[in-house]
Amino acid sequence: DAGVIQSPRHEVTEMGQEVTLRCKPISGHNSLFWYRQTMMRGLELLIYFNNNVPIDDSGMPEDRFSAKMPNASFSTLKIQPSEPRDSAVYFCASSPQREVLNEQFFGPGTRLTVL
Amino acid sequence: AQKVTQAQTEISVVEKEDVTLDCVYETRDTTYYLFWYKQPPSGELVFLIRRNSFDEQNEISGRYSWNFQKSTSSFNFTITASQVVDSAVYFCALSEARTGGFKTIFGAGTRLFVKA
Repeated sequence: DAGVIQSPRHEVTEMGQEVTLRCKPISGHNSLFWYRQTMMRGLELLIYFNNNVPIDDSGMPEDRFSAKMPNASFSTLKIQPSEPRDSAVYFCASSPQREVLNEQFFGPGTRLTVL
Repeated sequence: AQKVTQAQTEISVVEKEDVTLDCVYETRDTTYYLFWYKQPPSGELVFLIRRNSFDEQNEISGRYSWNFQKSTSSFNFTITASQVVDSAVYFCALSEARTGGFKTIFGAGTRLFVKA
């Protein structure tokens, strides 16, 4: 089985540009998470979805960030406009959450550099 | 409030030494889950163990063992006879049940260096 797939793996862009990160969760998983990892702030939960519905987006840093999950097999995280402080590794994770909380399966991450 | 504290930022040991990574958590929920993940130099996060708040049994998996103590709100991780391949950042995480799903908070991580 394929794991969580993220694209692109690396993204370099200039300040002010729109950036879209993509994630395909593991088939059958009904929860999806977006995280950001930086040296200064560690691993931060940005938003998570359950059955394609956003449950908690309190970790989204500001209005420049938005996330969607139009169906069970695809999610995007968009930054518009991007800023140098958005440079980080962005992870997507999925989980087969049902009655019992299961572990999260992480994608390889997207390393974003905003110049 | 939900919080996970990993007070050890970096630990350096020599191969074959035992090492314990500390994790202290805060939660107001009675139902919660604790996790440990490993992030090797390659970058991906790998699940190691899950524990629910009603199961305080310690667990051993090969050279890895975990000590869960609700009385001290701790979930410590011990590697016995460490190996160079254990070098990684280790994250402790806490998930509370919320309406519609679970929210997970990660600790800051402990970077483990195992020297040959």
